[in-house]
Parts: sequence; C-alpha cells; structure tokens
Amino acid sequence: QKEVEQDPGPLSVPEGAIVSLNCTYSNSAFQYFMWYRQYSRKGPELLMYTYSSGNKEDGRFTAQVDKSSKYISLFIRDSQPSDSATYLCAMWSTGTASKLTFGTGTRLQVTL
Amino acid sequence: DTAVSQTPKYLVTQMGNDKSIKCEQNLGHDTMYWYKQDSKKFLKIMFSYNNKELIINETVPNRFSPKSPDKAHLNLHINSLELGDSAVYFCASSRRTPGGAETQYFGPGTRLLVL
Repeated sequence: QKEVEQDPGPLSVPEGAIVSLNCTYSNSAFQYFMWYRQYSRKGPELLMYTYSSGNKEDGRFTAQVDKSSKYISLFIRDSQPSDSATYLCAMWSTGTASKLTFGTGTRLQVTL
Repeated sequence: DTAVSQTPKYLVTQMGNDKSIKCEQNLGHDTMYWYKQDSKKFLKIMFSYNNKELIINETVPNRFSPKSPDKAHLNLHINSLELGDSAVYFCASSRRTPGGAETQYFGPGTRLLVL
C-alpha cells in the first residue's frame, strides 16, 4: 500500500463547476500538506500548503486537512479551462532526512 | 530570472551510454533534490542535498551519482543507461517557511528517452 493514495482520474468538469480533489494517507507522522499543480510538460508548481488540520483559502482554492481521518482535499471554485492540469498532493513530516511524499496526481480537465 | 533551471530539456540516447543532467537554482536555497517521474506521473524522490551534503538517497541504483559542486548546483550523472531509466527527471530546491514546512520549487524537467 502506498503511503499516499490519490485517484488518478481523469476528472472532467464543465467550466464554473466546483472541483473536489482528494488524497488519503497512512503515515500519521505527516504534518505538512501541500498541493502542487502540474501542467503538461512542465514542472510541478506549489499551489498551497497547510499545517495540521483545518482549512486554508487562497482565492478560488481551498485546502482542507482532516488528520483524524488522514484525508486531505483541494476545492476549486468557479473552475476555469486554465485549471486543466494534474494536481498532486504531497506530504511532509519533520525529522532527520525528512522528505516530501507525493500522491500519483489527479488529472483535471475543465471543459468549455 | 528562471528560479530552477535544468539542462538539457530533452535527452535521447542509446542503452549503455553515460549521460549527465545539470541543475541550477538562483533562489538562495540550501536544499536541492532530484526526482524521477514515470509514465504514470508518479513523482519519486531520488536524492536530496543540503549545503552540498547528501541527506537522502532513496534506494537508487549506484549507476546514478549526484554531485553538488556548490549549494546552487546539483548535477545527476547516469552510467550504463537502461531502458527503464526513461522518464522525466526533475530538479527541485526548497526553503523552510516560517511555519517550518519545506516548500519545494521544481525545474522544468529533463525528458530522458533511452533507446
């Protein structure tokens, strides 16, 4: 079983829809939770990060963490065609040689 | 003004060859990484260096040898290339946020195809 599980999609939604992207994880030591967006043939870019449980909002994006369920979500409001990309969740714990562990990514397609 | 740059962008080579990929960051970060992304988009860490010192080596064949001449550069040399090495290789660098998280910034990737 992978440490971080993410539905690969593809997820296709019409423009303007609310998108929900999710990851589950098994390692309770993870403390920091991040979402990266990766356009085709580009490197991942950091969208948001949160520490521990709770919500964080940034424009049309909201990141949610539920540590008790080991479940994180990224919501995109008023989705746009320019949001079409692969979204990767990533998790990190402090400690020696700490590292980011990524999910496999969910491919999102926002259609006109 | 590129933050993390990699060369080359594309690399097509024969099995058995030796090749290098270079990475440079101008963000002033102390930590740099190499990741491999396979055809299913899974991004897996290979190595991490902090201030030129190796801190993560993730069960990578010893045909892969990273080198960090200074903290702004991290190169990856691959000996005796195999078909299974075909992937996209990403370099990244990171800084620690005031809250303690390591936020990583990725380069554009090097697409390696071994024939």
